[in-house]
Amino acid sequence: DAGVIQSPRHEVTEMGQEVTLRCKPISGHNSLFWYRQTMMRGLELLIYFNNNVPIDDSGMPEDRFSAKMPNASFSTLKIQPSEPRDSAVYFCASTNGLAGITQYFGPGTRLTVL
Amino acid sequence: DQQVKQNSPSLSVQEGRISILNCDYTNSMFDYFLWYKKYPAEGPTFLISISSIKDKNEDGRFTVFLNKSAKHLSLHIVPSQPGDSAVYFCAASGSSGGSNYKLTFGKGTLLTVNP
Repeated sequence: DAGVIQSPRHEVTEMGQEVTLRCKPISGHNSLFWYRQTMMRGLELLIYFNNNVPIDDSGMPEDRFSAKMPNASFSTLKIQPSEPRDSAVYFCASTNGLAGITQYFGPGTRLTVL
Repeated sequence: DQQVKQNSPSLSVQEGRISILNCDYTNSMFDYFLWYKKYPAEGPTFLISISSIKDKNEDGRFTVFLNKSAKHLSLHIVPSQPGDSAVYFCAASGSSGGSNYKLTFGKGTLLTVNP
């Protein structure tokens, strides 16, 4: 079975540009999570969805960040406009609540904002 | 306010010896704990977990110990192998059931196993 799929794997953009990160969770999983990893803050949860509905977005840093989950097999994290301090690795993870709370992570998207 | 702390940023051990990675937490509502391993340029992968109703869980070379009174858990790897070299994250959850699956992660410990 395919794991969590993220695209792109690397993104380099200039300050002020819009960035869209994509995630396909594991088929059958009903919870999806977006994390950001930086040296200073480690792995921090940005937002999570349960059954396509945002449950907790308290980790979203500011209004420049938005996330959507239009269906069970796709989610996006958008940053508009991007800033250099948004440079980080962004991970998507999914889980099937019926099987426990272990989250399965994608390979991540390394974002560099110049 | 870090609720999950891994106070050792790095650890170096010899192949064949025991690796002990430590994790402390402050939130007494946490009742489920996990360890993840992360290689460079990859996402974290689940390693082993423990519920607060237990004090030990073992899976092959990996054992996790939980001391609830001290709010402390540790991961033991015996024997350590060079392929175990990675960053290890401790994570905690306040819900072993229901719909809240939020995990709080520590900042990780880089383990290096020397041949």
